[in-house]
Amino acid sequence: GEDVEQSLFLSVREGDSSVINCTYTDSSSTYLYWYKQEPGAGLQLLTYIFSNMDMKQDQRLTVLLNKKDKHLSLRIADTQTGDSAIYFCAESWERGSYIPTFGRGTSLIVHP
Amino acid sequence: NAGVTQTPKFQVLKTGQSMTLQCAQDMNHNSMYWYRQDPGMGLRLIYYSASEGTTDKGEVPNGYNVSRLNKREFSLRLESAAPSQTSVYFCASNTGLYEQYFGPGTRLTVT
Repeated sequence: GEDVEQSLFLSVREGDSSVINCTYTDSSSTYLYWYKQEPGAGLQLLTYIFSNMDMKQDQRLTVLLNKKDKHLSLRIADTQTGDSAIYFCAESWERGSYIPTFGRGTSLIVHP
Repeated sequence: NAGVTQTPKFQVLKTGQSMTLQCAQDMNHNSMYWYRQDPGMGLRLIYYSASEGTTDKGEVPNGYNVSRLNKREFSLRLESAAPSQTSVYFCASNTGLYEQYFGPGTRLTVT
């Protein structure tokens, strides 16, 4: 199976909270990331969390990590139309170059 | 500070033609990467270079070659393009830890 799994689509109304979920299989994961890809652009790091943390908050973004269940989530508060993008979960650990393994990406659609 | 740049932005090739995708970074990063992105498939690593002078295969290296020309530049070559190589190609770089910085991508169509 895949190392990192995400649902492919999420649709929310503007102003609501969005929660994007991710599961990973590698218990050795050291870093877990959320990247954002806007249409026609490359990926840009939104936030990351170390595996020894449970939660990280950065303005409208909250990352929760459940190590026991190998579950990572990204919550976007007060979702705006500008948040419409593809969100990639990724994990990495020491295997030479900490090369991340990416999920397939979740397309977030925000409608008025 | 341009970050990671890629050329060309778009390319159409006929089956069997060859081409080189160029990537350069100005952040003094040691590690550079080539990925391909296909709909619903996420990012798949083609090749990477952990440091100047070294290159290693990733998940999907068949049909590609790479050159780490110097610390700044990492090129990807398709010797004989096939329709299965139609994709969006991203170059990325980092210090070897944490965040990867991505270029804007090259959209390649092979007919």
